Parts: sequence; C-alpha cells; structure tokens
Amino acid sequence: DVKVTQSSRYLVKRTGEKVFLECVQDMDHENMFWYRQDPGLGLRLIYFSYDVKMKEKGDIPEGYSVSREKKERFSLILESASTNQTSMYLCASSLPGTKGDAFFGQGTRLTVV
Amino acid sequence: GQQLNQSPQSMFIQEGEDVSMNCTSSSIFNTWLWYKQDPGEGPVLLIALYKAGELTSNGRLTAQFGITRKDSFLNISASIPSDVGIYFCAGQGTGNQFYFGTGTSLTVIP
Repeated sequence: DVKVTQSSRYLVKRTGEKVFLECVQDMDHENMFWYRQDPGLGLRLIYFSYDVKMKEKGDIPEGYSVSREKKERFSLILESASTNQTSMYLCASSLPGTKGDAFFGQGTRLTVV
Repeated sequence: GQQLNQSPQSMFIQEGEDVSMNCTSSSIFNTWLWYKQDPGEGPVLLIALYKAGELTSNGRLTAQFGITRKDSFLNISASIPSDVGIYFCAGQGTGNQFYFGTGTSLTVIP
C-alpha cells in the first residue's frame, strides 16, 4: 500500500521559532511536494523536489525552505515562524512526469502563537 | 500558479441522491485526478484519468476526462452519509506539477 507519512499531525510553535516538518514516502517516488491549505484558498504549492538535492520554488516559497538529502524524505523548514504561517501543511509524492498520481500524507496542522 | 475552476463550491443533498461536480481549466491536461478529503486529514485519491474521453468508475463514483482535455467531472450515485467531505480535482500537464481545484464541500443529510 502506498504510504506518505508526515511526522506530526498537530504542532504548536511560538513566533520566531525554527520549525521542521518532515515527510517520508515509501514508494520510491522521484517527485515530492509541500503544499499549504487555507480556507478559501485551496492548495498552494510551496516547494517541490524532483530528485535528491534538487528543489524548485512553488507559488508561495517566501518564509520557507526545504531539504531533500534522501529520496524518501522531504523536509519543510520555517526559518522563523510567524502567525500567518498557521495552516494545514500537506506533503505529496509522485512518479516523474505524467507517469503517476500524487499521493498525500495525512497533513500537519501547524499553529503559530 | 494556475487554479482550476471547480463547481459547485458546496452541495447539500439528501441521502440516496446522486451528485455531480466538475472542474474546468484554461490549459490542456494529460492527467485528471479526483480526491476526497475528510476534516483534518490529507486528500485521498479516488479516481485517476489519463486519456481524453476516458470514463472510469470506482464503486459508486464515476469520473470522466473531457474530450477537450480542459475539463473533468465526478459523479457520485446513491449518496450515503460517509460521502461527506471535500472533493478536489487536480490536473497535470506535461510537467511535474499538479494544479488543484478549490474544492466542493459535500453535505449528505440522512
């Protein structure tokens, strides 16, 4: 069974903290994605990676960075968390090009106070 | 980034009724996907479509890839309470990125 696992379901962090969101997939997928989901705004792409150590900015990369040191793991980093980064964060993975479907993790609900 | 037009935004239906929702794009896609998301959970893939005109079923769900490759629809027949959730479409062109609809919130009244 396909599996994308996000390290935390719920996180509460203070403004200014450095926050790490981890995502692991067991499908040997080349592509991995980080989205945030907010009411009325749908899913917005933050960053994606199409190979180890490769990354590309999505639509809203400001305030975020990513790391992909191993194929199965894609980390999202909030360098200095702010209250406007309170959101649902979703990780997804897929095969490259149009060969495969995107599978999502269960989501991390991050609250920055 | 591109966002797909998904309609309706929300639906309130009686248990047993059929449901239809659709998604349109200004761009041509090679893949259309339909997801369901329960509150507080990640989206779960329901149906994937890879060819224009393709009609695919998954139990009570049926989805079609539009002939123009710019639209897709999802039908749910004989709705039940556990169909409640948000349904998203997603499209993929020639690149690696997926583009998502804004979602259809479905409420089923027993």
